[in-house]
Amino acid sequence: AQKVTQAQTEISVVEKEDVTLDCVYETRDTTYYLFWYKQPPSGELVFLIRRNSFDEQNEISGRYSWNFQKSTSSFNFTITASQVVDSAVYFCALSRGFGAGGYNKLIFGAGTRLAVHP
Amino acid sequence: DGGITQSPKYLFRKEGQNVTLSCEQNLNHDAMYWYRQDPGQGLRLIYYSQIVNDFQKGDIAEGYSVSREKKESFPLTVTSAQKNPTAFYLCASTPGANEQFFGPGTRLTVL
Repeated sequence: AQKVTQAQTEISVVEKEDVTLDCVYETRDTTYYLFWYKQPPSGELVFLIRRNSFDEQNEISGRYSWNFQKSTSSFNFTITASQVVDSAVYFCALSRGFGAGGYNKLIFGAGTRLAVHP
Repeated sequence: DGGITQSPKYLFRKEGQNVTLSCEQNLNHDAMYWYRQDPGQGLRLIYYSQIVNDFQKGDIAEGYSVSREKKESFPLTVTSAQKNPTAFYLCASTPGANEQFFGPGTRLTVL
């Protein structure tokens, strides 16, 4: 069975602080994909990143960075120097690899609500 | 502009009514999905379709129905059998490369 856990329900920080959102996943597949999505107050989900299970390199995109560690089944997301516009709900998700049953079905965590205060 | 559109943005349903939520995409994506989101929770898969004229049940399909007669369109009907339909509904599509692109959502409220 596949599962995604985001233990942090809500995080509140002051602008310019760094913040890390945790994501722990469970899967028996050897090939899988991990995702992060942002959901601003408007409701639409915005794709941030996809990582496949064979690529453990950390990724940095501007103020965003992701730390993928298969040994701990974690895919954590860090926002450096947070801004008010980062306030949103962030979802971590997992899908099976190509050829597996249920290909492309996303399993979502419950989300972490981030509030960045001026 | 390429993208996914959902209509209406807000929808109100009386008890016992069937309602249909629209989802259209002009991205030429093969696969389309419907998710339900309840307050404070993640998204749960209702139905998905990987090709025209074919669709599969997701994790919470009871009380819902779909059709996929055209590649661009994947409407969701919330039937009277769905006992607790008040939620935020999101449609998504993918070209097959795993990342899904989402529409703006429809907020359904039962009166």
